[in-house]
Amino acid sequence: GENVEQHPSTLSVQEGDSAVIKCTYSDSASNYFPWYKQELGKRPQLIIDIRSNVGEKKDQRIAVTLNKTAKHFSLHITETQPEDSAVYFCAASGTGGFKTIFGAGTRLFVKA
Amino acid sequence: NAGVTQTPKFQVLKTGQSMTLQCAQDMNHEYMSWYRQDPGMGLRLIHYSVGAGITDQGEVPNGYNVSRSTTEDFPLRLLSAAPSQTSVYFCASRYSTGELFFGEGSRLTVL
Repeated sequence: GENVEQHPSTLSVQEGDSAVIKCTYSDSASNYFPWYKQELGKRPQLIIDIRSNVGEKKDQRIAVTLNKTAKHFSLHITETQPEDSAVYFCAASGTGGFKTIFGAGTRLFVKA
Repeated sequence: NAGVTQTPKFQVLKTGQSMTLQCAQDMNHEYMSWYRQDPGMGLRLIHYSVGAGITDQGEVPNGYNVSRSTTEDFPLRLLSAAPSQTSVYFCASRYSTGELFFGEGSRLTVL
C-alpha cells in the first residue's frame, strides 16, 4: 500500500525566512497530493493541494512542487510569519483515490 | 452546514470496556474515514468507507470495527479497549476525490 515519508520532523526558522518541507510517496498510481495545517488543539485543514498532471502550484506565500518521476513533493512557505507556526502534514491518495495516507508531520516554529 | 460532527469530544475508558465514537456529516460526501493521531506518528488511517454499505481497512484497523448504514453516519466501535488505543481520533469526509473535511476530534484515554 501507499507509504508517505515526511522530513524534517521539526523545523525552526526566523520570521521572514523561507521554510521547505519535503515528502516522498511509494505508490506510483497516486494522483492527488494535499497539504494540511494543524494548529494546536485544532483539526487539520487543507492549505494547498496538487494533482499529478501539474508540476507546481502557488497560492500567495505558499507553493507546492511535484516530481512524479522521483515520487516526491514539497511545500514552500515564503516570508514566514509567527502565525505560520503549526504542524504541517503532507498526504497522498493512492490507487483508486480512496485512501488518503498522511506523512508523520512537521512541526514548524517561526521565531519573531 | 454543520460539516463533520464527532461525539464525544472526550472519553475515559477502563481496559476491556467498549464504546462507540460517533461521526456524522451533512455534506452528502461519499467518502468517510477514521484516523488516529499519536505524537510523532501523524494521522494513521483506521477504516474508511466509499459509500453506504461499503467499508474497508486502513493502515491500523486492528481493535476497531465500523459500519456505514447511511451516507451521513460512520461510527467507530472499540469492542475491548486497550491502553494502546489511547489517542486522538478524527473523522473525515470528502467527495470522491479532493479535500478532506475533518471533525473536531475525540480524545480517548484508556486506563
